[in-house]
Amino acid sequence: KQEVTQIPAALSVPEGENLVLNCSFTDSAIYNLQWFRQDPGKGLTSLLLIQSSQREQTSGRLNASLDKSSGRSTLYIAASQPGDSATYLCAVFYSSASKIIFGSGTRLSIRP
Amino acid sequence: DTAVSQTPKYLVTQMGNDKSIKCEQNLGHDTMYWYKQDSKKFLKIMFSYNNKELIINETVPNRFSPKSPDKAHLNLHINSLELGDSAVYFCASSQDSGNTIYFGEGSWLTVV
Repeated sequence: KQEVTQIPAALSVPEGENLVLNCSFTDSAIYNLQWFRQDPGKGLTSLLLIQSSQREQTSGRLNASLDKSSGRSTLYIAASQPGDSATYLCAVFYSSASKIIFGSGTRLSIRP
Repeated sequence: DTAVSQTPKYLVTQMGNDKSIKCEQNLGHDTMYWYKQDSKKFLKIMFSYNNKELIINETVPNRFSPKSPDKAHLNLHINSLELGDSAVYFCASSQDSGNTIYFGEGSWLTVV
């Protein structure tokens, strides 16, 4: 069964800290993996997309890594800011089944 | 201009009613999706359409039916609404089924 898990479900850190969010998936035959951000009452905003052949992607203070062999991806946020407070979701796309599976998200709170 | 727009944003209706949620994307994408996010914030794909052909149907009840008059629109029709249908429904699109997904703002459906 293809599952995507995000731990922890919630995380609170003081402003300025670097932090890592985790995503694990049971089936490593992925096509790509995407990280999204969801603000309360809003839709999802794509942050980074990593193809299965890539090891990492970077955008500003965000860095996403992918280790297919261990079924893991991490989202690294540098120098966190209160505006980073949101729920972060990872989603795995399996091309063999044209299926996208989302994790349940990590709710991040950055304390000023 | 909003890339993926869906209406209405909020909908409160009684059990047994039939309702529709409309979605339009102006990105020129070939694939559109409908997702359901339940009270636990878990996001699950319901349908996706690629060039007006259904390519995923994640075992949703047949009370739910997607309608795509053209590749820029994917409307969601729900018949005989039940209490358990209360959720947030998100429309999304991507260039094809393996690319970055762009989400709408969501439609909050409450069945009473």
